[in-house]
Amino acid sequence: AQSVSQHNHHVILSEAASLELGCNYSYGGTVNLFWYVQYPGQHLQLLLKYFSGDPLVKGIKGFEAEFIKSKFSFNLRKPSVQWSDTAEYFCAVNDYKLSFGAGTTVTVRA
Amino acid sequence: DGGITQSPKYLFRKEGQNVTLSCEQNLNHDAMYWYRQDPGQGLRLIYYSQIVNDFQKGDIAEGYSVSREKKESFPLTVTSAQKNPTAFYLCASSRTTGRSSSEQYFGPGTRLTVT
Repeated sequence: AQSVSQHNHHVILSEAASLELGCNYSYGGTVNLFWYVQYPGQHLQLLLKYFSGDPLVKGIKGFEAEFIKSKFSFNLRKPSVQWSDTAEYFCAVNDYKLSFGAGTTVTVRA
Repeated sequence: DGGITQSPKYLFRKEGQNVTLSCEQNLNHDAMYWYRQDPGQGLRLIYYSQIVNDFQKGDIAEGYSVSREKKESFPLTVTSAQKNPTAFYLCASSRTTGRSSSEQYFGPGTRLTVT
């Protein structure tokens, strides 16, 4: 099974700052890649996904992620965060089953 | 409104008791999953089912059991054999599974506390 590494455990930033969360997985081959978000008190929900095609993927709420096959990476970005982006973010990789990273808690200060 | 329901939201049990967590979906998905979420560990797969009357162990199946008698239902039993059962349990479903798996949809979770 894949091992998924998220580089940051907790990120704190101010509104309007840019956000980048790192995600690496352990080995190549055909994979599907996901970022999920868990807002306080809410369901885990899909932020964006990559199956094939353009490696730059746009998701909801202004998020995007870039798949770099040679680096086994799928980093999440947002140019300008808002207070409402405070949440826990999970990277997940699917080859024959879905494996999740440990999660990154993002706190945005107003 | 399609989705996944889990009940109850909070559950308290005494050590040594078995407890069953409910998961129902009306998305007509074939595959269903149970995960356990612990702080700093992400989500770990307990069991999954690709089709009715069939299920497979995930990464941490010891101390848990499941059944899949109906497409829409996938209950999880936390047995007294589970060494550290206190956790947040998430149920999910997807249209397909395996390498071509579609995205998973998650329920609201059940927080189990065993004392």
